[in-house]
Amino acid sequence: AAGVIQSPRHLIKEKRETATLKCYPIPRHDTVYWYQQGPGQDPQFLISFYEKMQSDKGSIPDRFSAQQFSDYHSELNMSSLELGDSALYFCASSFGLQKGSSEKLFFGSGTQLSVL
Amino acid sequence: DQQVKQNSPSLSVQEGRISILNCDYTNSMFDYFLWYKKYPAEGPTFLISISSIKDKNEDGRFTVFLNKSAKHLSLHIVPSQPGDSAVYFCAASEANAGNMLTFGGGTRLMVKP
Repeated sequence: AAGVIQSPRHLIKEKRETATLKCYPIPRHDTVYWYQQGPGQDPQFLISFYEKMQSDKGSIPDRFSAQQFSDYHSELNMSSLELGDSALYFCASSFGLQKGSSEKLFFGSGTQLSVL
Repeated sequence: DQQVKQNSPSLSVQEGRISILNCDYTNSMFDYFLWYKKYPAEGPTFLISISSIKDKNEDGRFTVFLNKSAKHLSLHIVPSQPGDSAVYFCAASEANAGNMLTFGGGTRLMVKP
């Protein structure tokens, strides 16, 4: 079965550069979530989208922006990269926003971003 | 401030024995709790969940216990198998917060044959 696809798997950037991470949800899933997991840290919720509209916002820096497109894929745009942005970025998708469906979150394998 | 804490970064258990992974939380607004399992180079996968109206949920070898008064939950795996070796994340969601999850730091479980 198709899973959540994230690209690229690995990305190396230098300070002050920009990066774009992509997430392709499971077919028919309309909700996308972005999480950031720094080295030795727990995953932190960044932002989510439902039906192409932002639904929740977490600890996403102002330097980052994200959107969900008409085909439901999402892109996380990161500008003025800092060393502290080095982390594993997970995308998850689900169908709908109904409470109690958290177990229906399917995670991608993540994009490992290294900022040098 | 960490709202979900897993105080044991690692746990080693013999095959066939019980594995108990613990999780504490501080936010009394959390009403739904989940355990995710993560293998290296893969994203977390859902394992089991429990609503705050229950104190126990069982699914095969996996049982989650919730003690609301202590703001504590635990995951029991019995019998443990070598394939259970992975990082286990505890997560919680708050009422009216959709599916936004707050994760703990994870516990690495190693099941020895």
